[in-house]
Amino acid sequence: DADVTQTPRNRITKTGKRIMLECSQTKGHDRMYWYRQDPGLGLRLIYYSFDVKDINKGEISDGYSVSRQAQAKFSLSLESAIPNQTALYFCATSDPEKAGFGETQYFGPGTRLLVL
Amino acid sequence: QKEVEQDPGPLSVPEGAIVSLNCTYSNSAFQYFMWYRQYSRKGPELLMYTYSSGNKEDGRFTAQVDKSSKYISLFIRDSQPSDSATYLCAMSLTGGGNKLTFGTGTQLKVEL
Repeated sequence: DADVTQTPRNRITKTGKRIMLECSQTKGHDRMYWYRQDPGLGLRLIYYSFDVKDINKGEISDGYSVSRQAQAKFSLSLESAIPNQTALYFCATSDPEKAGFGETQYFGPGTRLLVL
Repeated sequence: QKEVEQDPGPLSVPEGAIVSLNCTYSNSAFQYFMWYRQYSRKGPELLMYTYSSGNKEDGRFTAQVDKSSKYISLFIRDSQPSDSATYLCAMSLTGGGNKLTFGTGTQLKVEL
């Protein structure tokens, strides 16, 4: 079984709709992240959470919100989707106990989102 | 100017070739350097990491960091079709408690 899972894997929605992308992990890591990936722009950090009570904005948080329901679950919401949010979204986790080795992050398989 | 620059490719090489992938960066405070590999329709996975300047070798892969030039490289020897993927460089200010800054990725295709 995959250590980091994301649902749904693919989603098509319309402008103005609210959608939620979910991430679950069985790695036991405290730290979780949401990224979006766009051609030519690479991976950009949306939000990150170092534990259940700690939520931080990344470089492109506008238009997004997150919820850390438990250590293992981190959800990303698009309050009112727009076509510009069409992208590949990744969830990732990391282990602070191994932080001295360069903040290794473990990625989920991604959610492909199309906003019409 | 982006904080991390990476040639997007695509780079196409014959099987068995030596591949050189590179990134340049502008922030001299970066200390940790990583290479992630991303297969089509998959999430990135860590391939190699290095701390500060120097070389690190793992099988057919060698990671090289030159902090004085703000330049990092990944060399792949005896490249295989299974190496066909997108390679992303990433770097961070510290080993923990800090976010990663990624390059845009270089798409590599190793042909038979």
